[in-house]
Amino acid sequence: QLQLQESGPGLVKPSETLCLTCTVSGGSISSGDYYWAWIRQPPGKGLEWIGSIYYSGTTYYNPSLKSRVTISVDTSKNHFSLKLRSVTAADTAIYYCARLGLAAAGNRPFDIWGQGTMVTVSS
Amino acid sequence: QSVLTQPPSVSGAPGQRVTISCIGSSSNIGAGYDVHWHQQFPGTAPKLLIYGNNNRPSGVPDRFSGSKSGTSASLAITGLQAEDEADYYCQSYDSSLSGYVFGTGTQVTVL
Repeated sequence: QLQLQESGPGLVKPSETLCLTCTVSGGSISSGDYYWAWIRQPPGKGLEWIGSIYYSGTTYYNPSLKSRVTISVDTSKNHFSLKLRSVTAADTAIYYCARLGLAAAGNRPFDIWGQGTMVTVSS
Repeated sequence: QSVLTQPPSVSGAPGQRVTISCIGSSSNIGAGYDVHWHQQFPGTAPKLLIYGNNNRPSGVPDRFSGSKSGTSASLAITGLQAEDEADYYCQSYDSSLSGYVFGTGTQVTVL
């Protein structure tokens, strides 16, 4: 059974870079026509898509975050990563990694989710 | 930044039917993109509940159903049970934003 697990620091200082990794187990990140994604949820608020990546390295980002975000993939380690630069308190959130299921472009559901990791931006 | 609007909360007695609307626009639901629904219990990650407008993943009870028409979609829960108390989010794709979008979320309360 495919599982996703986020890891990384739970506390980041303002203006620094948030770095998280999502490790995929129970299957290969490069098998099948799947995309992999990062999503976040500020405390008590809704969900926001951050960006997605294909195992080849093709990326798509939320326009509102694009200038600060980099998502990368390491197929040898079966994981993908998120970097969010110049963070502020507004970036405090639970960060989830997820798999985009099989469907035509634009019709993919987030079908498997990691458990999420809380990241607080504070000095 | 939610471009899909949901009611903040809905409630119903056990056994009743409740519906949650997800109102979009011509650049997302109205453009023909599929709508999916996710269920989230407090302190846990969301879970896919409905995909492709009206399909249930294995293990999801058939009291959950989805529909889509025009620029909106709906999630219906028939025979409401106490264990259905959770937050529900719709999800689709927006061509203007060139990205995935979520609804504002709806909290379901069983009276």
